[in-house]
Amino acid sequence: DADVTQTPRNRITKTGKRIMLECSQTKGHDRMYWYRQDPGLGLRLIYYSFDVKDINKGEISDGYSVSRQAQAKFSLSLESAIPNQTALYFCATSDPGGSYNEQFFGPGTRLTVL
Amino acid sequence: GENVEQHPSTLSVQEGDSAVIKCTYSDSASNYFPWYKQELGKRPQLIIDIRSNVGEKKDQRIAVTLNKTAKHFSLHITETQPEDSAVYFCAARESSASKIIFGSGTRLSIRP
Repeated sequence: DADVTQTPRNRITKTGKRIMLECSQTKGHDRMYWYRQDPGLGLRLIYYSFDVKDINKGEISDGYSVSRQAQAKFSLSLESAIPNQTALYFCATSDPGGSYNEQFFGPGTRLTVL
Repeated sequence: GENVEQHPSTLSVQEGDSAVIKCTYSDSASNYFPWYKQELGKRPQLIIDIRSNVGEKKDQRIAVTLNKTAKHFSLHITETQPEDSAVYFCAARESSASKIIFGSGTRLSIRP
C-alpha cells in the first residue's frame, strides 16, 4: 500500500547538535508538510512544500529548516537542537487535486533533546 | 492567518452516551473543516470532514455540524464505544494558502 514513512522513529540528542528527520512517501502526492505535536498544543505546522521548488514557512519555523530533495522526499533539520524542541514530529502529504486536501500522516518521530 | 480553538481539552463520557467537541475558527473565508482521530501511539487519521456549503454531515455514529455565521463547528459521537477513546483534532483550511490549521486537541475517554 502507498504510505508515508519517517526515519528515525525515535531519537535522543544533545543540546547544540544538528539533527535531520527524514520523510518519504509512495503516495505520489505533490504536497508535503512537517508538524510538531506537543501535549495541549495540538499539531502545529513547521514548514510545507507544494512541489519540489516550493518551500513555505508555517506557524513555528524558527530553529528549523527543510529540504525537498524530490517529489517523494522532504527532510526537516534542526541546525542546533535545544530542549524545547523535544516533541513528536509528523510528516504528512496531501493530493492537490480539487480544492480540499486530506492530510496523510507518517508514523511520527519522537525527538528528545537533552 | 487562521486560528482554530478547540474545547474541551479533555472529555470523559460513559459508554453508550454521546460526546460533543466544539471548535471555532477565525477566517470567515475558510471552506473546509476536517476532523482527525489519533489513537494512542498512532498517527492522526481523517474520520470525517465538512465543506462550507453544507451545514451537517453524518457517517454512522459520528456527525459534524457547521455554523458559518458564528464560525463554529462541532463533532458529535453517539452511542460511544471503548474504541472511540482517542485524541480528536478539528482543523480548518486556511483560504489564503491552502494549508490546514489544527485545533489543540481533545482527549476523549470512554468509561465502561
